[in-house]
Amino acid sequence: DQQVKQNSPSLSVQEGRISILNCDYTNSMFDYFLWYKKYPAEGPTFLISISSIKDKNEDGRFTVFLNKSAKHLSLHIVPSQPGDSAVYFCAASAMGGTSYGKLTFGQGTILTVHP
Amino acid sequence: DVKVTQSSRYLVKRTGEKVFLECVQDMDHENMFWYRQDPGLGLRLIYFSYDVKMKEKGDIPEGYSVSREKKERFSLILESASTNQTSMYLCASRTGFSRQPQHFGDGTRLSIL
Repeated sequence: DQQVKQNSPSLSVQEGRISILNCDYTNSMFDYFLWYKKYPAEGPTFLISISSIKDKNEDGRFTVFLNKSAKHLSLHIVPSQPGDSAVYFCAASAMGGTSYGKLTFGQGTILTVHP
Repeated sequence: DVKVTQSSRYLVKRTGEKVFLECVQDMDHENMFWYRQDPGLGLRLIYFSYDVKMKEKGDIPEGYSVSREKKERFSLILESASTNQTSMYLCASRTGFSRQPQHFGDGTRLSIL
């Protein structure tokens, strides 16, 4: 039962263009969403997050959009740079109960930015 | 900066061995987590701890146990290692507030032969 899905295993983009990574979720209790970036042989590093009370959050070149009715979020990277080449994971959590805000991760999308 | 340190980057063990993976964080975080990462499956939560001596099962706890005797240290134990436990293991920590991101170590690549 994959509650968080990243349906694109990989994405290839030209340097300077926009990268759009997508994520879908099924659990309507999720109310906090995060994106992590992971380079080979390193742990994931936090990129950006969004609460369900918002539909957009921006940090420099990175913007996350949340569409609650569609249970969909996306990460936009503009402009894309070769150093952005990595695996990107989306994650979701639900407050309250015994969840302790634990994260449920998607399968990841490999982003390759070509010079 | 938060520092999460996993004791080994690479580990090779044999089937049936008891295996210990250690994780230490230096930010006085209340919550600590163990995940495994497998191709096509993302990160899956094995166990987590929200305080010293407290632990909760994650999504895939079978074959694993954990220990948290001190706040800064969270150990993952493979009671009797099997080949299907060959994986990348990632430790994370977080302050007690749920809407804060988790901070990860660099992982331990464990191979069970």
